[in-house]
Amino acid sequence: DAKTTQPPSMDCAEGRAANLPCNHSTISGNEYVYWYRQIHSQGPQYIIHGLKNNETNEMASLIITEDRKSSTLILPHATLRDTAVYYCIVRVSISGNTPLVFGKGTRLSVIA
Amino acid sequence: GAVVSQHPSWVICKSGTSVKIECRSLDFQATTMFWYRQFPKQSLMLMATSNEGSKATYEQGVEKDKFLINHASLTLSTLTVTSAHPEDSSFYICSARPPDPTYNSPLHFGNGTRLTVT
Repeated sequence: DAKTTQPPSMDCAEGRAANLPCNHSTISGNEYVYWYRQIHSQGPQYIIHGLKNNETNEMASLIITEDRKSSTLILPHATLRDTAVYYCIVRVSISGNTPLVFGKGTRLSVIA
Repeated sequence: GAVVSQHPSWVICKSGTSVKIECRSLDFQATTMFWYRQFPKQSLMLMATSNEGSKATYEQGVEKDKFLINHASLTLSTLTVTSAHPEDSSFYICSARPPDPTYNSPLHFGNGTRLTVT
């Protein structure tokens, strides 16, 4: 699976949008982009995933650039409970029931 | 949505004893489950892949005789840490993916088990 690069940490004011970038410049055509987050002492929580189109759900929006070399996870109105480590992971789904490989992620701190 | 449950959420044991951690898929069947380990301030590291009805496959550097995995049913995988030592103290997390012919559905994670070996 291709590797991803994320900033180690970010701050965001409560109520503002949190925009978390991810670089995946070596992504291949059949690799999806997945986002998870891990709140302290809990298991990772799935947020969203996409292939090339932008995606939105009740938690977040995923914006993937046209060349697919980078993406941005957007939390539209960050709250204190969104403080967590956010992981951007790329994965080939057609390879079968394979695990996710986690990088170091971005530690997002939402500040009151 | 898909739910993966782990038990116990935390356990303290004495050095030399064994500890069993259970991972259940509550609303779907999982022929494959994945076990991760996470040390403080580090990311999740894959330990092993648990396969229903067959032997688990272990990542390089993970001792299969120390970390026994049993996947006896389509909804339950267990990880037994045998002869635990303080260096085995860690956060153990299991995960599973609901059935999907494209394997595109997201992996769902349990809430983890905090193991402390004294």
